[in-house]
Amino acid sequence: DSGVTQTPKHLITATGQRVTLRCSPRSGDLSVYWYQQSLDQGLQFLIQYYNGEERAKGNILERFSAQQFPDLHSELNLSSLELGDSALYFCASSATRDYNNEQFFGPGTRLTVL
Amino acid sequence: AQSVTQLGSHVSVSEGALVLLRCNYSSSVPPYLFWYVQYPNQGLQLLLKYTTGATLVKGINGFEAEFKKSETSFHLTKPSAHMSDAAEYFCAVRGSGYSTLTFGKGTMLLVSP
Repeated sequence: DSGVTQTPKHLITATGQRVTLRCSPRSGDLSVYWYQQSLDQGLQFLIQYYNGEERAKGNILERFSAQQFPDLHSELNLSSLELGDSALYFCASSATRDYNNEQFFGPGTRLTVL
Repeated sequence: AQSVTQLGSHVSVSEGALVLLRCNYSSSVPPYLFWYVQYPNQGLQLLLKYTTGATLVKGINGFEAEFKKSETSFHLTKPSAHMSDAAEYFCAVRGSGYSTLTFGKGTMLLVSP
């Protein structure tokens, strides 16, 4: 158990809908990262937050957004969902924004768009 | 810019045999290199990492990897495979001065009795 929790574990929805994925980092970790894992694209970095502020952006679509709240939990919002958004979404956390910090991964949320 | 290439989407070994998973990277700055393992229905777990210093890095579960700058490689090895090693393995690179990881496509390790 990495100490990172993600809810829900599974999510099934329809095209055009909007969903919110939630992540609670390890106790004391200030940085949260979101990744998307799909069969065709592999594991791709989406976005990073550090202590409530956006720190780095990867291959995140404009239909996707994220935020980190004062209690350090984070939410990833996916809107106007398409079939291709079906994937496993991981959250990871690290203690600081320091480049040497290990990232601890949560168990993931599996999103299925029908 | 950074990229990672993992040779072989699937590698099959017999229990007790040598495990060799290949990873080549490209980085415009000195790289930090990582190997992660993903067991079915679980998140990724760090096996080992190279940042600076000794180029042979030992990790958990008997795995090790050697950073070879001249070959831009960071292959993962284990002398003797166990059934419990069956999982997907990801190599990742992070350029020094960056906080984000770039992952390879992953290699599924299959271990047969």
